[in-house]
Amino acid sequence: EPEVTQTPSHQVTQMGQEVILRCVPISNHLYFYWYRQILGQKVEFLVSFYNNEISEKSEIFDDQFSVERPDGSNFTLKIRSTKLEDSAMYFCARTTVLAGNTTSTDTQYFGPGTRLTVL
Amino acid sequence: DAKTTQPPSMDCAEGRAANLPCNHSTISGNEYVYWYRQIHSQGPQYIIHGLKNNETNEMASLIITEDRKSSTLILPHATLRDTAVYYCIVRPYSGGGADGLTFGKGTHLIIQP
Repeated sequence: EPEVTQTPSHQVTQMGQEVILRCVPISNHLYFYWYRQILGQKVEFLVSFYNNEISEKSEIFDDQFSVERPDGSNFTLKIRSTKLEDSAMYFCARTTVLAGNTTSTDTQYFGPGTRLTVL
Repeated sequence: DAKTTQPPSMDCAEGRAANLPCNHSTISGNEYVYWYRQIHSQGPQYIIHGLKNNETNEMASLIITEDRKSSTLILPHATLRDTAVYYCIVRPYSGGGADGLTFGKGTHLIIQP
């Protein structure tokens, strides 16, 4: 399966600053997802995104977070005012399942991640 | 999604088959069994999935018991590069993919030289 690219690979920021993490999927990817993994902890689902709208979101995905696909290409996760506890690996994932296709499964493929460090 | 139970860690000798068990006794009829792995801090890597039949691909085999309450991931000839945390995840096909995956703690598989 084609890879998902994430930029940057490592982001260092000061507490209270805004950060934007980017995911560059291939054009025929339909669903996109963001996950995070705090060091030593589980991978946690944040949000799924389809057709320029949020499909599902977890309790973690509060008003500090937003997602968009502004140019029809890059899929971004914005954290408005970072906190120390936002330090984590952030993974983008995608699936190529066609909506309504009941004969396929919606396997998610992950990118390499962005390491966010909040100082 | 159904809850899964995996041993926290396992060892396997290089070149031998690694058999990773997973219990999912509350699985529903429309839920698939997915396996992912994570090498160090890299992104989770999809391995294989199945519904009720055994499955095989270039990476691994998946054996699902007839009652579907447990499964085993088999890496036929483990190499040092297979050292990773392996996650067994049960989730329904959601008709479009909106649902996120629920990761547990997984099994830390260590391949010994």
